[in-house]
This record gives sequence, structure tokens and C-alpha cells, in this order.
Amino acid sequence: DAGVIQSPRHEVTEMGQEVTLRCKPISGHNSLFWYRQTMMRGLELLIYFNNNVPIDDSGMPEDRFSAKMPNASFSTLKIQPSEPRDSAVYFCASSPAGQGGGNTIYFGEGSWLTVV
Amino acid sequence: GQNIDQPTEMTATEGAIVQINCTYQTSGFNGLFWYQQHAGEAPTFLSYNVLDGLEEKGRFSSFLSRSKGYSYLLLKELQMKDSASYLCAVREAGGYNKLIFGAGTRLAVHP
Repeated sequence: DAGVIQSPRHEVTEMGQEVTLRCKPISGHNSLFWYRQTMMRGLELLIYFNNNVPIDDSGMPEDRFSAKMPNASFSTLKIQPSEPRDSAVYFCASSPAGQGGGNTIYFGEGSWLTVV
Repeated sequence: GQNIDQPTEMTATEGAIVQINCTYQTSGFNGLFWYQQHAGEAPTFLSYNVLDGLEEKGRFSSFLSRSKGYSYLLLKELQMKDSASYLCAVREAGGYNKLIFGAGTRLAVHP
């Protein structure tokens, strides 16, 4: 079975440019999560969706960040304009519905973003 | 909110046993998870506890005490490939599988 698919895997961009990260969750999963990981701050939850609806975006650092989920199989995280401090690994993760049993979240391989 | 603490780094010898501790303070709790993350890779699920006690899964075991806000991950018969970061995560109550992660413990296994 295909896991969570993210693109691009690596991106280097100049400060001020728009960055769009993409995610395809595991088929049948109802929840989708965007995390950011840095050495200084660890793995931070930015935003999550349930059934394509944003539930909590309190982790989004600034208005420069936005996320959408137009359908059950696609989500984007956009940074506009990008800044060097946005350099990090951005992980998308998905999970099945409900908290029964050991339902947990499954991560994509991440998008490694460098803003110069 | 959540506050999750775990040691930053640990070292151990191949073949030995190591215990990685995690303490948490939470406003709502519905499970504790351990993930393994090798350098340059995504976190992968290792174990899950929602009730007090020990869950064993091959060489890995995880323990939970809800009253103490405490968990540990026990790795037995350490192998070089176990060198990785181990992330403790708390799932909030509320119906969604929202996980809040600790900073992770970097484990180095030496010959």
C-alpha cells in the first residue's frame, strides 16, 4: 500500500519567494496533519484537518503560512513570502478515523526546505 | 496544553539494554506513543500505551503510568541499527489522532 506521499522532497529557494508543499494522504484516512521539524524546536504541529476541514491551525507560525485541503486526497502548505528561518523539514502525516485501538499517524518522507 | 520531557541524548553498548524515559503534563490524555526516527528519515511508529502497564513488542517494550505522567521505552539486545532518535508523543482526548511530540532522545549505540 502507498504511504503518505509528499513533494517536493527537497527545495532550495530564495528569500521572498513563494513555496508550495504538497501531500497525498493514505487512501481512506480521514485526518491529515502538517508538522515542521527543526533542531531547535523539534517536531511542531502546524495545522490539522479532519474530513478536509481545518480543525486547529493554532500552530501556524505566521500569516505567511497557509494550508488547504480541497479534497480527501490532496493538501498543500504554502509559505508566502518565505524567509530563511522557515528552513526546516515539513512532514505531512495522516491517520484513520477515531482513536480506537492503536490508531496513530503515519508520516510522509518530508519536504526538506532551505530558504537562502 | 502539553509539556513533554525526555533526555536529549543517551549512549549504550551493542547487546545491552537501554531505557528511555518520558514525563508529560497534559490537559487531556488519550494515549502515549513512541516513534523512532533515523537521521534524514521520517518518524515511524513503534508502540502505543493507553492503559497502565507494560506493552511488549519483540525487542522493544513500552510502559505507562498515567497517575505519574510517566512512560519509558525499553530496548533490549541493542543493535547498531537502533542508533536513532526516539520521540515520545501524547495523544489528546477529543476524537482526533492529534499527537504532540517531545523533543526526542538521540540514542547512539556503540560496538
